[in-house]
Amino acid sequence: DADVTQTPRNRITKTGKRIMLECSQTKGHDRMYWYRQDPGLGLQLIYYSFDVKDINKGEISDGYSVSRQAQAKFSLSLESAIPNQTALYFCATSDLLDRTGRPSVDEQYFGPGTRLTVT
Amino acid sequence: DAKTTQPPSMDCAEGRAANLPCNHSTISGNEYVYWYRQIHSQGPQYIIHGLKNNETNEMASLIITEDRKSSTLILPHATLRDTAVYYCIVRVIDNYGQNFVFGPGTRLSVLP
Repeated sequence: DADVTQTPRNRITKTGKRIMLECSQTKGHDRMYWYRQDPGLGLQLIYYSFDVKDINKGEISDGYSVSRQAQAKFSLSLESAIPNQTALYFCATSDLLDRTGRPSVDEQYFGPGTRLTVT
Repeated sequence: DAKTTQPPSMDCAEGRAANLPCNHSTISGNEYVYWYRQIHSQGPQYIIHGLKNNETNEMASLIITEDRKSSTLILPHATLRDTAVYYCIVRVIDNYGQNFVFGPGTRLSVLP
């Protein structure tokens, strides 16, 4: 089974609708991230969370909100979807510290992505 | 903004070494160089990282110049499955966890 899962994998919705994308992880990592990717471009950070009580805005948070329901779950919401939010969305996780408590590589593990189309 | 510059695309013959360059002329002394790749709209995958010494793992080698202003990712025997977009990223490893900034990367095409 995949360590980082995203649901749904594909979604088509209409302008103005509320959409929630969900991410779950079984890696036991503290840190979770949401990125979006537009065609031909790199990834842009939307929101990230260091732990359950921590939420931080990334580069492009306008129009999005998040919820960290548990260590393993991090949801991204589009309150009122618009066509320029059509993109590929990725969730990722990482561990900040290694087993000795020192800063780790912070290797990010990505989910398979959610392709969202807003018409 | 990304702190690295990479060529937008490269070709490599199957079985040959693929050498992907990255410039990071403003890199700080405590910033590491990371490489990730993304195969056809899948989630990016970690490849390797380094500070100043050359590094090698089962996937690739990372060569960092002595002045640390540039680096090269080497895939020693490229296969068709190595066709992907490769991202070079610089960041600090510390207790604050600076975030990754993904630029447009290099699209590597491995040709049969």
